[in-house]
Amino acid sequence: DIQMTQSPSTLSASVGDRVTITCRASQSISSWLAWYQQKPGKAPKLLIYKASSLESGVPSRFSGSGSGTEFTLTISSLQPDDFATYYCQQYNSLWTFGQGTKVEIK
Amino acid sequence: EVQLVKSGGGLIQPGGSLRLSCAASGFTFSSYEMNWVRQAPGKGLEWVSYISSSGVTIHYADSVKGRFTISRDNAKNSLYLQMNSLRAEDTAVYYCARGSTVNPNTFDYWGQGTLVTVSS
Repeated sequence: DIQMTQSPSTLSASVGDRVTITCRASQSISSWLAWYQQKPGKAPKLLIYKASSLESGVPSRFSGSGSGTEFTLTISSLQPDDFATYYCQQYNSLWTFGQGTKVEIK
Repeated sequence: EVQLVKSGGGLIQPGGSLRLSCAASGFTFSSYEMNWVRQAPGKGLEWVSYISSSGVTIHYADSVKGRFTISRDNAKNSLYLQMNSLRAEDTAVYYCARGSTVNPNTFDYWGQGTLVTVSS
């Protein structure tokens, strides 16, 4: 089974900050990685697919990069609506989520 | 508008059984792969099960294999999860999630979730 490890688990930031979240896979997953955003009490929302492609309707301040085993999600200028928990998901072999990164207000 | 409306959650004793349903509307259900994903209280997301659009191909997470059964009825636009031999660690909000046809193997629409609590 492929394990996904995100860091940090919690991130404190201010509006306007540049934020980066890292996701590491236990083995190579090529570019078969997605990022989701989840707000409290809500279902997750797809942000990024194939490591770096932006889902339709997602603001361009979100970007993804990486391949193989190391990936990043970057929010270029954090907005009030972006305070949420972010999950990476590999889909190279079935599906596995990372444990999540909570982005909270500093 | 795509809608995934779930039913069937609730409180169940350990060892018991429960069936979750997910009624789909706003899209051609029979053309889409579907999944169940769960989230234990205060925890992260865990993929549970997958079913192909025809129902022929099915996958399960190791944690539920042999206890849970995924199925679908394309004539009724519905997805199901039969959960048997339930354990305390199955307590979670269960989401049905649609597989994207634009970006295969990602989940583009999710229902709002139904809480399953396994407790005596």
